[in-house]
Amino acid sequence: DTAVSQTPKYLVTQMGNDKSIKCEQNLGHDTMYWYKQDSKKFLKIMFSYNNKELIINETVPNRFSPKSPDKAHLNLHINSLELGDSAVYFCASSPGQGKFSGANVLTFGAGSRLTVL
Amino acid sequence: RKEVEQDPGPFNVPEGATVAFNCTYSNSASQSFFWYRQDCRKEPKLLMSVYSSGNEDGRFTAQLNRASQYISLLIRDSKLSDSATYLCVVNKYNTNAGKSTFGDGTTLTVKP
Repeated sequence: DTAVSQTPKYLVTQMGNDKSIKCEQNLGHDTMYWYKQDSKKFLKIMFSYNNKELIINETVPNRFSPKSPDKAHLNLHINSLELGDSAVYFCASSPGQGKFSGANVLTFGAGSRLTVL
Repeated sequence: RKEVEQDPGPFNVPEGATVAFNCTYSNSASQSFFWYRQDCRKEPKLLMSVYSSGNEDGRFTAQLNRASQYISLLIRDSKLSDSATYLCVVNKYNTNAGKSTFGDGTTLTVKP
């Protein structure tokens, strides 16, 4: 039973299209994230939600819109896709938020590889 | 300056070797520290948390030096299966948000 599952695993689409990636976690965690890993393998945080509330938004173009219908789900919708959006998008969750390391341990999904042509 | 900097590597070592990775972070208010491992085309996975007192898990030893803002990972008796990218992660909690910042990773290849 996958702890953090995201779909689809692969997305190939044309520039200008709109696409969504879905993520679900069954760990009972309070916090969920979207990370982007580009072709150089650099992993950068995009968004973080704690109990459905947006708490981190890292200078991401507003073409990217996250939505958290409940604390177990965090979806990512991308409008007007550009070539530079090609990357692997990782969903992750952590038990919560806090100063202690246990709260911040991330469990990642398997990633969604987006290719924009 | 990047928030989290790692040895770029790659490190190519023979089986059985001892290898050490270093990481520095710029924000002195950072509170929790981790090493993650990422295999090719897979997601990152927690290898170990890093504590001020240092901690060991089998062949892996992690150290934290808050004064120097430095984290290290030592792998003893390297195995072929240790080949991966090792990511240094630093977390800072502020108000209601904890943010984990990843280093760019150090690639290790262990050869027979």
